[in-house]
Formats: sequence, C-alpha cells, structure tokens
Amino acid sequence: GAGVSQSPSNKVTEKGKDVELRCDPISGHTALYWYRQRLGQGLEFLIYFQGNSAPDKSGLPSDRFSAERTGESVSTLTIQRTQQEDSAVYLCASSLAGFEQYFGPGTRLTVT
Amino acid sequence: RKEVEQDPGPFNVPEGATVAFNCTYSNSASQSFFWYRQDCRKEPKLLMSVYSSGNEDGRFTAQLNRASQYISLLIRDSKLSDSATYLCVVTGDGGSQGNLIFGKGTKLSVKP
Repeated sequence: GAGVSQSPSNKVTEKGKDVELRCDPISGHTALYWYRQRLGQGLEFLIYFQGNSAPDKSGLPSDRFSAERTGESVSTLTIQRTQQEDSAVYLCASSLAGFEQYFGPGTRLTVT
Repeated sequence: RKEVEQDPGPFNVPEGATVAFNCTYSNSASQSFFWYRQDCRKEPKLLMSVYSSGNEDGRFTAQLNRASQYISLLIRDSKLSDSATYLCVVTGDGGSQGNLIFGKGTKLSVKP
C-alpha cells in the first residue's frame, strides 16, 4: 500500500518568506507527527496529532511554526518569516497510536 | 537524565564482525520499544520491535532488560550495507511527544 508522502521534496526559500509543507499519512493511521532534523543531528520532535484530540505542540520551537491536520488526513506545517536556522529536513510520520511510526521521505528546506 | 540515551559512536567495524549497541531509557513505565535504522540523508525506517522475551530477525537480535532499563541490538556477521545510524525508540508516559521518544542514534560504519 501507499506509504507516507510529503511535498515538496525540496524547498529553497528566501529568509523572511513563509513556507508550507505537506504530509499525507498512511490511510487509517490516527497519529501523525512532525520532526525536524538538522544536518548530522537527531530527530527533533515538533508536533503530534492524535485523532480529534488537541495536538501536542510542545516541540514547536517558536510561534513562527504552526501545523494543522483535518481529521485523520493531510497535515500542513507552516513556517512564517523563515530564518536560516530553520534550514533542515522536515520529516512526517504516521502510526496507529503508540505503535511503530512510518516516516515519509522528508522535505529538505533551505533558507537563503 | 535524558529520556533515551545512546552512544553516538561511530562504531567502525570490519565486515563479518559482531557489534552491539545499547540504549538506556529513563521512564520505567515504558511499554514498547523499537530499533529504527536511518541511512545517510534518508528517513528512519523500522528495523525491529523489541519484545520482553527478546527477539531475533536473521542477523539481528534485540533484547530488553526492564530492571536495568536498557535495550540492546546485536548485529552478527556485519555487512557493508549495515552501515547506518541506529535509533532507539521508547514509549513515553502517555502524552509527551506522541508517546514515542527517539534517541539520537548510534552510527555504525562497516568497512571492507
């Protein structure tokens, strides 16, 4: 079956611009996660959605970051007024809650 | 104490060697444990779940020690293709980070 997909695969943007990243989870997966991974670093948790519950936003680094998910489908991660330190790979994963996560290929964001 | 700790390595081993990684976790209430593998510039992929009784999948053996709160991964007869970063994943306390906590990974490099 189809895995987690993300778009775009690469995004180059100028400092100060807004970007929107998209994640399509595996159908039927109730949980969806966003992570950030800087070059050579570990996964940094950003936000977690579980069904219709309020999302866990505890990992969002600043108020420039926000994410939405409609029901148990697509999610978008928005970064406003991008900064160079936002450059990273943004990974999305989905799962049946509490079980193994399946990751998408990521969006590589470069802020110039 | 960090929630999930791993030796970052790198572990440099020759082909055919046996190598073992450990991972310690802080939450004694954790119930599920996984090992993920992440190749360079790729997304993490599930390698294996870790069961209380220990489990084996070909050349890979995972073990759990609840009393000491650590998980291990043993790789026998290492192949060049085993070169990757191995991530330890532990369930949290029911709310934080979607209930899954990732270690920062142990890097393995298998040399000819």
